[in-house]
Amino acid sequence: NAGVMQNPRHLVRRRGQEARLRCSPMKGHSHVYWYRQLPEEGLKFMVYLQKENIIDESGMPKERFSAEFPKEGPSILRIQQVVRGDSAAYFCASSPIQGLVGTEAFFGQGTRLTVV
Amino acid sequence: SQQGEEDPQALSIQEGENATMNCSYKTSINNLQWYRQNSGRGLVHLILIRSNEREKHSGRLRVTLDTSKKSSSLLITASRAADTASYFCATGLIQGAQKLVFGQGTRLTINP
Repeated sequence: NAGVMQNPRHLVRRRGQEARLRCSPMKGHSHVYWYRQLPEEGLKFMVYLQKENIIDESGMPKERFSAEFPKEGPSILRIQQVVRGDSAAYFCASSPIQGLVGTEAFFGQGTRLTVV
Repeated sequence: SQQGEEDPQALSIQEGENATMNCSYKTSINNLQWYRQNSGRGLVHLILIRSNEREKHSGRLRVTLDTSKKSSSLLITASRAADTASYFCATGLIQGAQKLVFGQGTRLTINP
């Protein structure tokens, strides 16, 4: 049973380009969470999705950022018109059907985005 | 503001010594979890303690939870060089929030 798979592991984009980060949850998991980690800091919650639904996007910047978790395929975090401040590690986590109440989240290895 | 705050921010000890990290939080929780992150890597889940539990053990790890003080501690006994990492506490909130809220982390260095 493969863990949470994120790709790419490293992504370099020029200012103004788009970044697409992909996350495949663990088999059998239907909840996906995206977090952002700036250097030397903790993880900041961005968005929580279930299949075809955004449940909580309270941590997402209002502009340029979007996320989806389609019926088929991985979850996608999309950042349009990237700026240098978007440079960070983006982590995806998944959990089983009951969500996070009383259970752990399983994290991917992250995508390190560098905006040049 | 952060729900969880770790203390200390950095800790450096000799191999074989015990390491204690603390975490405080602000609101009521369902559970509290500790994670480890090696430099440049993803997070590894260490232990989960529920709000109705006071202490939990896993190998060389001991976690305590004091809900009256809204605090938790992680003790690593007989530390090893491989324990060098950042350690984060994360709180699972009760109301509506299917998300973990992380603290800033404690950077632990084990000196050989």
